Amino acid sequence: QKEVEQNSGPLSVPEGAIASLNCTYSDRGSQSFFWYRQYSGKSPELIMFIYSNGDKEDGRFTAQLNKASQYVSLLIRDSQPSDSATYLCAVNQAGTALIFGKGTTLSVSS
Amino acid sequence: NAGVTQTPKFQVLKTGQSMTLQCAQDMNHNSMYWYRQDPGMGLRLIYYSASEGTTDKGEVPNGYNVSRLNKREFSLRLESAAPSQTSVYFCAAGGGPGSSPLHFGNGTRLTVT
Repeated sequence: QKEVEQNSGPLSVPEGAIASLNCTYSDRGSQSFFWYRQYSGKSPELIMFIYSNGDKEDGRFTAQLNKASQYVSLLIRDSQPSDSATYLCAVNQAGTALIFGKGTTLSVSS
Repeated sequence: NAGVTQTPKFQVLKTGQSMTLQCAQDMNHNSMYWYRQDPGMGLRLIYYSASEGTTDKGEVPNGYNVSRLNKREFSLRLESAAPSQTSVYFCAAGGGPGSSPLHFGNGTRLTVT
């Protein structure tokens, strides 16, 4: 069974610090990788996606992908209290639906 | 642009009752999905429709049926609700399995007593 693993947390960081969120996946054939943010009581919203090995940066967010290690991470620089949420990692192969990890709860203290 | 719209937002059912959750998208995406989210379990796929006229089972399809009415609409039906189906249900739309991100509706919070 295809699996996506995340540390449930909570991950606590002070305001202004870098938050590092990690995700591993079991299916070596996975091709697309997504990070979603979900505030309590709300629906998931897309933050970033990455398809190729390496880093992808968008503002304060950087997604990192290492297919050999089956590992994808999300870095949040200059963390803000408004970043406090649950972050969901999602993975799929071509032709299949997204499989989600259980999410990591991030808490940013001011 | 509404994106993905789900109705109702909240629903309480008694065990054995039936209901249909509605989902519509105005994003012109081919694929639509139904997920459920339970505490500590993450998002689990119930059913999906890769394109109009097709549906496929996901991880947890038992107790549910779906209908892809047209490109815009994808409904989820509970024929005989059970307390184990108490959950938050999310509909999502995307360009196609494996090809693009999903966009989620606001969810339906269902309680079965």
